[in-house]
Amino acid sequence: EAEVAQSPRYKITEKSQAVAFWCDPISGHATLYWYRQILGQGPELLVQFQDESVVDDSQLPKDRFSAERLKGVDSTLKIQPAELGDSAMYLCASSPRKGAGWTEAFFGQGTRLTVV
Amino acid sequence: AQRVTQPEKLLSVFKGAPVELKCNYSYSGSPELFWYVQYSRQRLQLLLRHISRESIKGFTADLNKGETSFHLKKPFAQEEDSAMYYCALSRTGGFKTIFGAGTRLFVKA
Repeated sequence: EAEVAQSPRYKITEKSQAVAFWCDPISGHATLYWYRQILGQGPELLVQFQDESVVDDSQLPKDRFSAERLKGVDSTLKIQPAELGDSAMYLCASSPRKGAGWTEAFFGQGTRLTVV
Repeated sequence: AQRVTQPEKLLSVFKGAPVELKCNYSYSGSPELFWYVQYSRQRLQLLLRHISRESIKGFTADLNKGETSFHLKKPFAQEEDSAMYYCALSRTGGFKTIFGAGTRLFVKA
């Protein structure tokens, strides 16, 4: 069964350092999402791609966060510099259809980031 | 503004008892509502969506536009239902899905 792959599963970094997360969506899925989930809260959308284009990044702290999906397939989320408050689970999800009609979002296992 | 509220952080019931996980939303248009579930050590996955009007694992949820609610119900809880449940809302077309804070359901033997 196809799954969304994320790496690394765990990351510990010092504050002010740069950190990057990688996501490989299910093959053929046009839509890719990055969510941040702080302990005790629900997932918060950071950025949404449709193919290689960003369709929503209104909640992305653009002074330190960046995301790309250059070929419309896999994606990288970067934080530079990391801050203590960035400690969270970073979830990637993908869904197969763009445009009208919702389709199910398939989630990866997530990357747990700890900033020390 | 879009908002999803799950008022209970933890819900504990006995096996065989009915269970209802509450979800209220605020949205100015016609939303699509979902319930996602995360079992221990597993990834977040879709449980059901309101447009399907389906029953999954004995769970149902009815969209009440008048009360802006989408409560999740099951008549007889099972131990394997113990998990974290998230209510989610999206505009038609799947853009910017937002999640509630989640309710942890614990079903006691």
